[in-house]
Amino acid sequence: RKEVEQDPGPFNVPEGATVAFNCTYSNSASQSFFWYRQDCRKEPKLLMSVYSSGNEDGRFTAQLNRASQYISLLIRDSKLSDSATYLCVVLGGPGNTPLVFGKGTRLSVIA
Amino acid sequence: EPEVTQTPSHQVTQMGQEVILRCVPISNHLYFYWYRQILGQKVEFLVSFYNNEISEKSEIFDDQFSVERPDGSNFTLKIRSTKLEDSAMYFCATRSGAYEQYFGPGTRLTVT
Repeated sequence: RKEVEQDPGPFNVPEGATVAFNCTYSNSASQSFFWYRQDCRKEPKLLMSVYSSGNEDGRFTAQLNRASQYISLLIRDSKLSDSATYLCVVLGGPGNTPLVFGKGTRLSVIA
Repeated sequence: EPEVTQTPSHQVTQMGQEVILRCVPISNHLYFYWYRQILGQKVEFLVSFYNNEISEKSEIFDDQFSVERPDGSNFTLKIRSTKLEDSAMYFCATRSGAYEQYFGPGTRLTVT
């Protein structure tokens, strides 16, 4: 069964903290990897794609370890507006294959 | 910035009734998807659609479900005879040739 596993949290952190989320995936044929954020009762919004070499977008850094089938997201200098559920998402294979979602990790940033 | 749009935002229907959920993809996107999310659970794939035909469907997407692109712009999901367990948020997602999928705001379906 093709699964994506995440720590559900919640992670409660003060403003300015650094927080890291981890994710593992079971399908070794997975091709592409993403982090989405989802606010309560809203749609998933693409935060960033995850590349093999690791990539950074402002305060957000994503890393991929294909050998361990492990993905991470690091958020530095947390803001109140970062409070959301962070979804680890994996593309199962080539072509028009669907996204496979983890259950998400809830983050609450507290003033 | 172009967005995926969905209508209605909320649909309440009685068990056994047919519903049609509508999506307008981003204009240059060619790949279309429907996902659903039952309250408190993860987002689940229903069906993918490309070049006017279904590419892949999950076990959730049984004979009660159908999709079509009736007029070259809208992308619709029809549920023929709704059940209580069909209550969920239904998200349309679209993409261009790149792999990133962009989601619409969803339709909340409540079956009573």
